[in-house]
Amino acid sequence: GNSVTQMEGPVTLSEEAFLTINCTYTATGYPSLFWYVQYPGEGLQLLLKATKADDKGSNKGFEATYRKETTSFHLEKGSVQVSDSAVYFCALSPPFSASKIIFGSGTRLSIRP
Amino acid sequence: DSGVTQTPKHLITATGQRVTLRCSPRSGDLSVYWYQQSLDQGLQFLIQYYNGEERAKGNILERFSAQQFPDLHSELNLSSLELGDSALYFCASSGGELFFGEGSRLTVL
Repeated sequence: GNSVTQMEGPVTLSEEAFLTINCTYTATGYPSLFWYVQYPGEGLQLLLKATKADDKGSNKGFEATYRKETTSFHLEKGSVQVSDSAVYFCALSPPFSASKIIFGSGTRLSIRP
Repeated sequence: DSGVTQTPKHLITATGQRVTLRCSPRSGDLSVYWYQQSLDQGLQFLIQYYNGEERAKGNILERFSAQQFPDLHSELNLSSLELGDSALYFCASSGGELFFGEGSRLTVL
């Protein structure tokens, strides 16, 4: 079946450091891939998405590239800020099946000033 | 603001009690999803409704039930509450991708 595995947290970085949060998936066919972010006290928000191989999703300085050959969708940001402190969830859904979205376990990110 | 509204934001109750959580989806969205988020189990899909009909069921306990009304708002009913039911309960609506509400934090004492 479909599954998502992401690196365990917490991840603690200094401001302006480079960020990578690893995410790999198992799926049949060509799923859509997502990163959601949950800021303290809030619900999940879609951060970025990619719907086909080699697509790059980007938003707020974050990027992730859909790599079919390595079944990965790693989240990166070149220079993190304190305001990026949150929990990040990798997720996938089969094509045209938002109802079957599967979330990873989440990675807590803390940024030190 | 996602456009998904959940009430109440916080709820404290005792074991054995029953509570109802309410969700109003984004305008125009027909699907509503319920998720439970606890510290040890992450984000768990409970149930989905589409235009008033149950569409998919996940790890929802028999003590829990949900419904979606003609105006598309949804309610999640939790009964015979146990300490382990303490969690954040999120509602999401979908018009293609998921938009989450801010959640209802349930504390069972």
